[in-house]
Amino acid sequence: AQSVAQPEDQVNVAEGNPLTVKCTYSVSGNPYLFWYVQYPNRGLQFLLKYITGDNLVKGSYGFEAEFNKSQTSFHLKKPSALVSDSALYFCAVSVLRDSNYQLIWGAGTKLIIKP
Amino acid sequence: SAVISQKPSRDICQRGTSLTIQCQVDSQVTMMFWYRQQPGQSLTLIATANQGSEATYESGFVIDKFPISRPNLTFSTLTVSNMSPEDSSIYLCSGGYTTDTQYFGPGTRLTVL
Repeated sequence: AQSVAQPEDQVNVAEGNPLTVKCTYSVSGNPYLFWYVQYPNRGLQFLLKYITGDNLVKGSYGFEAEFNKSQTSFHLKKPSALVSDSALYFCAVSVLRDSNYQLIWGAGTKLIIKP
Repeated sequence: SAVISQKPSRDICQRGTSLTIQCQVDSQVTMMFWYRQQPGQSLTLIATANQGSEATYESGFVIDKFPISRPNLTFSTLTVSNMSPEDSSIYLCSGGYTTDTQYFGPGTRLTVL
């Protein structure tokens, strides 16, 4: 079965430190991978995506993610965390179902940045 | 990108009534979807809204309970029918272009008493 795993329910990081939010996937073929962020009482905002090409993709708000095909991972990273980065982060993979592309979602990781 | 708006942003409804949520996109998107989300949890896909034809529902969701319309490429509605407290949730609309990024509306927070 195709799936996305975010192994950490919550990640705690001190402000100014680097952060990593983990994501692994299990899909057939070449995946399209996405990260979204959800701030409290808000909808989801697109952060970045990997379709093809360079394994390191850069996105909004200084975030980046590294695609690792051998480890089937797509971890989200930021060199220096801000308190305002505190939010719920979702990893997703696009899969073809019934001639339409749909997103399979991870469970989400709550990121808490402490001052 | 696409900017998506939803109405209403929130509502409190009585058991047994119905609520229609509207989703408007500022550009013609290929795909539109409706999701349900419990606060702090992941998204559950309700259905794919197909332009000019019946929506494609995911397992556990049926048309009688969640009728969906999509009369054109920029607009869709989701109705939550005969509501019960178990329908209390956040309902999210999204739109996108084939395999590419989905853009989300701000969500509709529904409370059923």
